[in-house]
Amino acid sequence: SQTIHQWPATLVQPVGSPLSLECTVEGTSNPNLYWYRQAAGRGLQLLFYSVGIGQISSEVPQNLSASRPQDRQFILSSKKLLLSDSGFYLCAWSWTSGSYNEQFFGPGTRLTVL
Amino acid sequence: AQSVTQLDSQVPVFEEAPVELRCNYSSSVSVYLFWYVQYPNQGLQLLLKYLSGSTLVKGINGFEAEFNKSQTSFHLRKPSVHISDTAEYFCAVSDQGDMRFGAGTRLTVKP
Repeated sequence: SQTIHQWPATLVQPVGSPLSLECTVEGTSNPNLYWYRQAAGRGLQLLFYSVGIGQISSEVPQNLSASRPQDRQFILSSKKLLLSDSGFYLCAWSWTSGSYNEQFFGPGTRLTVL
Repeated sequence: AQSVTQLDSQVPVFEEAPVELRCNYSSSVSVYLFWYVQYPNQGLQLLLKYLSGSTLVKGINGFEAEFNKSQTSFHLRKPSVHISDTAEYFCAVSDQGDMRFGAGTRLTVKP
C-alpha cells in the first residue's frame, strides 16, 4: 500500500529565516506530487505540482520554491520567510495514469512565522 | 476550466440531525467528483467519489452523495450526524487530469 509522509509536523520560524519542508511517498513510483497551503480559515491553494523528477510547475508566484530531487521526494523551500507564509502546508500525490486524478494527502505541516 | 462552489461556508447542526452540504461545479467536459474530509490539524481524507455509473455514491462514515448532471451538483448527505463528524469538508472536481477544490464547508455538530 502507499503512504505519504511530511515533516516536520510543526515549525515555528522567524521572519527572514529559510524554510525546508519535505514530503516523501512510499509504495508507488513516478507519482504526480503537489504542494498546497491553507491559510487560517481559508481553503486549499495549490502552490506547486510535479509530474516527474526535476519537473516543477508553479501555480502562484511567491517567495516559495519547490524541488523534486528524487522520484518520490518533494521539497518546499524559501530563502526568506514572510509573515504571510504562515499556514498549514499539505503534500499530496496522485497516479500518473488515469484521468480522474484522485489525490492522496499527507498529514500536513503547521508553519508559524513570527 | 472546471470550478467548484460550496454554497455554505459553515453549517451548524445538532447531533443526530440530518445534514446536507452543497456543492455545485462547472465544467465543459465529463467530470469526476470527490468529497474529502479534514479533521483539525490533519490532512484530507477521501469520503467518496463519483467516477461513473450510479449517481448515488456511498462513502465512509455513513455519508453519501448524489451526482445530478442537469443541476451540476454533487451534494453530500448524512441522515444522522455525530459529534465526531465535526470537520471541514471539501468538494473537488477533476477533468482531464486537473483537480480543483471548493473553498470548504465547516460542519459543526452540537450536542
